[in-house]
Amino acid sequence: NAGVMQNPRHLVRRRGQEARLRCSPMKGHSHVYWYRQLPEEGLKFMVYLQKENIIDESGMPKERFSAEFPKEGPSILRIQQVVRGDSAAYFCASSPVSGGNEQYFGPGTRLTVT
Amino acid sequence: DQQVKQNSPSLSVQEGRISILNCDYTNSMFDYFLWYKKYPAEGPTFLISISSIKDKNEDGRFTVFLNKSAKHLSLHIVPSQPGDSAVYFCAASVTGTASKLTFGTGTRLQVTL
Repeated sequence: NAGVMQNPRHLVRRRGQEARLRCSPMKGHSHVYWYRQLPEEGLKFMVYLQKENIIDESGMPKERFSAEFPKEGPSILRIQQVVRGDSAAYFCASSPVSGGNEQYFGPGTRLTVT
Repeated sequence: DQQVKQNSPSLSVQEGRISILNCDYTNSMFDYFLWYKKYPAEGPTFLISISSIKDKNEDGRFTVFLNKSAKHLSLHIVPSQPGDSAVYFCAASVTGTASKLTFGTGTRLQVTL
């Protein structure tokens, strides 16, 4: 009975490197959401994807950030040329349908940029 | 623009007593509300939700109340237990859209012996 899986759990990158965060939704869930939590803040929505489609990316920074959810494999959140301000906890959530239903969260990836 | 607000950053309650966590929202389009519990270094865990067509939803020790006219909801935990000590987040969404959740900043609950 696997829940939402995220890896890695911890990721350290130097400024300018790329970070790739992976998320496998719960079995039977086809909707994936990414959120970011900065220290001492709540979670902020970044992007909502279904298989092979980006549905809403209104919370994604305009540059350096991208997300995908391919037909096969996990969803990937990619951050290019990381900066110190990207240091945060990144959470993935999944739901079976959209429209007000509960989202179930993974354990998160803690990104530290040195 | 903080559309979902949790004005109490922390709350301390004695074991066995009632914990009341509050949440206010400003966006009248929100029609579905959720509470999540979060332990350090873990992801949020869904607790309970409520649709705007209801004013109360109960699940065991947890009850959520919604006052639409005041744009206010609250989570009641009775009786409080030490294992309830965590950060509680209120979240809101608009049904039928992309369903992104808008979170409050959280309230840290400590249940003391």
